[in-house]
Amino acid sequence: GESVGLHLPTLSVQEGDNSIINCAYSNSASDYFIWYKQESGKGPQFIIDIRSNMDKRQGQRVTVLLNKTVKHLSLQIAATQPGDSAVYFCAENANAGGTSYGKLTFGQGTILTVHP
Amino acid sequence: SAVISQKPSRDICQRGTSLTIQCQVDSQVTMMFWYRQQPGQSLTLIATANQGSEATYESGFVIDKFPISRPNLTFSTLTVSNMSPEDSSIYLCSVERQGYGYTFGSGTRLTVV
Repeated sequence: GESVGLHLPTLSVQEGDNSIINCAYSNSASDYFIWYKQESGKGPQFIIDIRSNMDKRQGQRVTVLLNKTVKHLSLQIAATQPGDSAVYFCAENANAGGTSYGKLTFGQGTILTVHP
Repeated sequence: SAVISQKPSRDICQRGTSLTIQCQVDSQVTMMFWYRQQPGQSLTLIATANQGSEATYESGFVIDKFPISRPNLTFSTLTVSNMSPEDSSIYLCSVERQGYGYTFGSGTRLTVV
């Protein structure tokens, strides 16, 4: 079936650096994308989302970029902090037009480690 | 966003037994989702649970193994039946609320011995 995958399974950065986590998706019908952060022993926590009618969206210290041409999604974290260390997942939904509900398909996950 | 409570948070079970996981939401939601996260892996959807109708299962998951109840708009249960060590995973409940996106519970960490 359709899947969402990640280029880099692990990423190590120094505190204060910017981090970029990438995700490739294969379902061209996907129109809603979400980035989640999962810390050890916890469920996924929403970070930021973007709809397919946008190519960039910014939050607090985070930016999501969407390139529909090459089916690529990225999460940029500015001034990465040790508290950002976690597993990051991208997820896609292909039913988010109008009434938004439907299942999410998750990517592989990237382990981000931030060194002080 | 919705607040989700999952019980139990973790359990160690004997093979051949069954475990029922509860998911309680602090607001009414139309759809609830159950995911499995095997050790070191990503999340895989097991089924979608609508109130008042049978759950819709994803490929590779069957009702006899993972029966689901959805008695009202704030509660659901997932049972892992006739467990084997391969069922050792984190099981996660999720809800979607229009305008608020998807929220996950903290998960149930199941170990089958």
